[in-house]
Amino acid sequence: GENVEQHPSTLSVQEGDSAVIKCTYSDSASNYFPWYKQELGKRPQLIIDIRSNVGEKKDQRIAVTLNKTAKHFSLHITETQPEDSAVYFCAASGLGFGNEKLTFGTGTRLTIIP
Amino acid sequence: NAGVTQTPKFQVLKTGQSMTLQCAQDMNHNSMYWYRQDPGMGLRLIYYSASEGTTDKGEVPNGYNVSRLNKREFSLRLESAAPSQTSVYFCASNPNRRLGSNQPQHFGDGTRLSIL
Repeated sequence: GENVEQHPSTLSVQEGDSAVIKCTYSDSASNYFPWYKQELGKRPQLIIDIRSNVGEKKDQRIAVTLNKTAKHFSLHITETQPEDSAVYFCAASGLGFGNEKLTFGTGTRLTIIP
Repeated sequence: NAGVTQTPKFQVLKTGQSMTLQCAQDMNHNSMYWYRQDPGMGLRLIYYSASEGTTDKGEVPNGYNVSRLNKREFSLRLESAAPSQTSVYFCASNPNRRLGSNQPQHFGDGTRLSIL
């Protein structure tokens, strides 16, 4: 089955600086890569996703890049703000009915230092 | 719309007791999922239902059973609770309406379960 590794497990950055979280996956058939943000005691919420036919996607201060050859994808947060502090999870899934199971990474705890 | 609703929000059980976690979605989604979340281990899939009438095992199914009661509801049952099942349980759903249409999963607020 799919295996997703995520690094680093913890990350502290100064407010206003950029944060980068990296994930690798094992199954070359995976083609959908969402990122979720989870605040303490809350549900995971989708912040951005990318499909395998796209190399990069941006949404304001958040961007995701995908390298299918190397089987890795990354989350980039620019101009970080205190409200960006949370745990971030990457995930990967395959194609088709009944095969959209997500395999999650183990999470990155991001702390923004004011 | 309420989205994905889970009940109860909190529960404490004794070892050997049984209980059912309830999940309902009002988004007319085809697929539903149960995950458990433990510190440092991310979210791990327990069972999923790709469509009404079907269920399949995920990564960590031992000790659990599920029922897809109808399109809206997907329940998770612990027949004989063990301390190792202490966790936060999340239910999720996604549209999954056609081949290749990867769609985001929408999560409920979770059930915090402690087994003593």
